[in-house]
Amino acid sequence: EVQLVESGGGLVQPGGSLRLSCAASGFTLSSYWMHWVRQVPGKGLMWVSRLNDDGTSTTYADSVKGRFTISRDNAKNTLYLQMNSLRAEDTAVYYCARGTAAASLDCWGQGTLLTVSS
Amino acid sequence: QSALTQPASVSGSPGQSITISCTGTGSDVGSYNLVSWYQQHPGKVPKLMIYDVTKRPSGVSDRFSGSKSGNTASLTISGLQAEDEADYYCCSYVSDSTYVFGTGTKVTVL
Repeated sequence: EVQLVESGGGLVQPGGSLRLSCAASGFTLSSYWMHWVRQVPGKGLMWVSRLNDDGTSTTYADSVKGRFTISRDNAKNTLYLQMNSLRAEDTAVYYCARGTAAASLDCWGQGTLLTVSS
Repeated sequence: QSALTQPASVSGSPGQSITISCTGTGSDVGSYNLVSWYQQHPGKVPKLMIYDVTKRPSGVSDRFSGSKSGNTASLTISGLQAEDEADYYCCSYVSDSTYVFGTGTKVTVL
């Protein structure tokens, strides 16, 4: 069964850092593009970042560029999102999702909540 | 990277058809046939309903269909059912290898 499980969310002070993890099972991360998407509770979805299948290319939403870094560990079959210089507006549920060749997201994790507050 | 524009809400009676629009620009919806649609029930994870503008993943009801004209994509739900009540989001690939979601539409079954 294809499954994604996020972890690492929590309460962080403004200006702080945190790393989210997304453990994949049932498929190999390095065969797919992978994405992070966030959602402020009660609000809409926002695409955050993606990593291509061979790990050579990353892209980011303008609002997180320069502060967030997407990466993966092939041995652990795990995707990461390193988040630095966190702001209150980064508060959201963060989902990892598997990308398809059709540029859609066909499998989503259950999400992990990040709260940035003093 | 402005969000694609969707109506905040759409409603219909059981059995009716409804259509949700998703308006972008020539840099996203208008340039690529890479529009997808997601259904999200309250407290649940988004689910892929349509990809490549018109294609349905295995297991998705054929009551759901997609189309596109110019910079606007649309999702039509035919034979509306109570279980279709949810939030729906469109998403498009963008020219700079990024992606943009729509503002979201709440579908209410009357």
